[in-house]
Amino acid sequence: NAGVMQNPRHLVRRRGQEARLRCSPMKGHSHVYWYRQLPEEGLKFMVYLQKENIIDESGMPKERFSAEFPKEGPSILRIQQVVRGDSAAYFCASSKGTSHYEQYFGPGTRLTVT
Amino acid sequence: KNEVEQSPQNLTAQEGEFITINCSYSVGISALHWLQQHPGGGIVSLFMLSSGKKKHGRLIATINIQEKHSSLHITASHPRDSAVYICAVTVNTGNQFYFGTGTSLTVIP
Repeated sequence: NAGVMQNPRHLVRRRGQEARLRCSPMKGHSHVYWYRQLPEEGLKFMVYLQKENIIDESGMPKERFSAEFPKEGPSILRIQQVVRGDSAAYFCASSKGTSHYEQYFGPGTRLTVT
Repeated sequence: KNEVEQSPQNLTAQEGEFITINCSYSVGISALHWLQQHPGGGIVSLFMLSSGKKKHGRLIATINIQEKHSSLHITASHPRDSAVYICAVTVNTGNQFYFGTGTSLTVIP
């Protein structure tokens, strides 16, 4: 049973480009969470999704960031017009149910904006 | 003020020592989580607690709901335990996860 998969593991983008980060949850998990870890800082919640629904996006910047979890395929975190401050590690986690269930983390995508 | 506070921020121990990492929180929670982040960056969930105590191998986690405090203990520490240990809480009013800033543990042979 494969764990949570994220790709790419490392992503380099120039300022102004778009970044697309993918997360495939564990088999049987329909809940996905995205977190950001800025350099030298702790993890911060960004968004919580179920299949085809955004449940809580209170941690997501209002502009340039969006997330989706379609019926088929991985969850996507999209960052438009990236800036240097977007450089961070982005982790996704999946669970079987609500936040009362244990979350399993992916290996993360390290985004570097040059 | 952060919703979740951890102490100490950094900890160095000799192999074999008993280690305690503390976590205090200020919000109502439905669960508290202890996570381990390896030097390579991967995150592993160690425990999820809503009351009492859990044990897994050399790791023990306790929580006191009334005092809003949790501890993670490592018995007979080993260099492979060197990692960042992160406390996180799930608030009982929604889906938010709040994270502590982590405790960086180094175990010296």
